[in-house]
Amino acid sequence: DAGVTQSPTHLIKTRGQQVTLRCSPKSGHDTVSWYQQALGQGPQFIFQYYEEEERQRGNFPDRFSGHQFPNYSSELNVNALLLGDSALYLCASSSVARQGPPLHFGNGTRLTVT
Amino acid sequence: AQTVTQSQPEMSVQEAETVTLSCTYDTSESDYYLFWYKQPPSRQMILVIRQEAYKQQNATENRFSVNFQKAAKSFSLKISDSQLGDAAMYFCAAQGGSARQLTFGSGTQLTVLP
Repeated sequence: DAGVTQSPTHLIKTRGQQVTLRCSPKSGHDTVSWYQQALGQGPQFIFQYYEEEERQRGNFPDRFSGHQFPNYSSELNVNALLLGDSALYLCASSSVARQGPPLHFGNGTRLTVT
Repeated sequence: AQTVTQSQPEMSVQEAETVTLSCTYDTSESDYYLFWYKQPPSRQMILVIRQEAYKQQNATENRFSVNFQKAAKSFSLKISDSQLGDAAMYFCAAQGGSARQLTFGSGTQLTVLP
């Protein structure tokens, strides 16, 4: 039973560029959440997708956008990259049918912006 | 809105000894969940233990147990018989009943000394 998978593992981009990160949820899960974890800090909630729609959003600018596909996989897009966007981006999945948590996390994508 | 505070950036424990990690939280929700997650160098966020706020009994998972003090909004993690593999960053997190995101603390880096 595959868990949450994220790609790529590492990514280096230049300021002003755009990036797309990908996530496949755990089998049986239909909800995907994205978190940003800056070095030495706890993860911060970016947004959550369910039924191909954004259900909830954290305090992140519109440069951060996402998408969920019919197979429940998801993408996180970040436009006009800033140095401060350098972080570990974690994807987590869950099932709406199962009331409440927990979330299952992937191993993350380490994004470095130079 | 929820806040989670971990006041111990670093802790160390001798192998086979017991260590307690502290966490306080604040939430306006009457129904909520509390978690401890472990993040080793592999970066994956691994669920250690969870506690439903409506349950008075403290959760236990093998060598891991919590001390949940609802009135004091305190949720500490006790690790008994510490093992080298317990070394990791530990995050306390809260999820409100109506909220879809996890709110994390800043983490405690646990070192296990042989």
